[in-house]
Amino acid sequence: DTAVSQTPKYLVTQMGNDKSIKCEQNLGHDTMYWYKQDSKKFLKIMFSYNNKELIINETVPNRFSPKSPDKAHLNLHINSLELGDSAVYFCASSQRTSGHTQYFGPGTRLTVL
Amino acid sequence: GQSLEQPSEVTAVEGAIVQINCTYQTSGFYGLSWYQQHDGGAPTFLSYNALDGLEETGRFSSFLSRSDSYGYLLLQELQMKDSASYFCAVRDWSRNAGNMLTFGGGTRLMVKP
Repeated sequence: DTAVSQTPKYLVTQMGNDKSIKCEQNLGHDTMYWYKQDSKKFLKIMFSYNNKELIINETVPNRFSPKSPDKAHLNLHINSLELGDSAVYFCASSQRTSGHTQYFGPGTRLTVL
Repeated sequence: GQSLEQPSEVTAVEGAIVQINCTYQTSGFYGLSWYQQHDGGAPTFLSYNALDGLEETGRFSSFLSRSDSYGYLLLQELQMKDSASYFCAVRDWSRNAGNMLTFGGGTRLMVKP
């Protein structure tokens, strides 16, 4: 009965490749997020969707494209991977009215070689 | 813009009390959240303050002073398992109507025997 799940947990790939990370939540929340956590543990929001609608897009390169097929799923596709994309990517969810209480997935550690 | 300041590292002994401070600058402050993250793990929600005063949840308490743009997380009866990073995060109405959290850089707490 995992609340927020992400796949894969680890992703190792070459520069220039395209990769996707999937996220699913079974909490019945209407809002989902993608965060990037760098090697210094700085946690920065990338995107947020509310009921499949993009509501936050924080100056992320357009190589990153989120997709929300329904309010329980939010996927992240990354084109032309660069070394600087190496980080841990977290998916999270919340009710829009309770955005201060977010539930995070286990994270996907992306390593670009 | 927004900024949050918290100490990068704090060390304390088992059984002691430790306070992790957070000062913030934001134009539309709505509330301050605290999250805990163990190494290799995901951030987990600890506490939220929207109004001035102290919120207590077991061994953890969180305090907010809106007039001072300041809050803290108080951990009592420290246990080894409390060794983790602690993040403060502001919810700001001027940013996407309060739908996003902006995180501080995190405070790494080391609990020693």
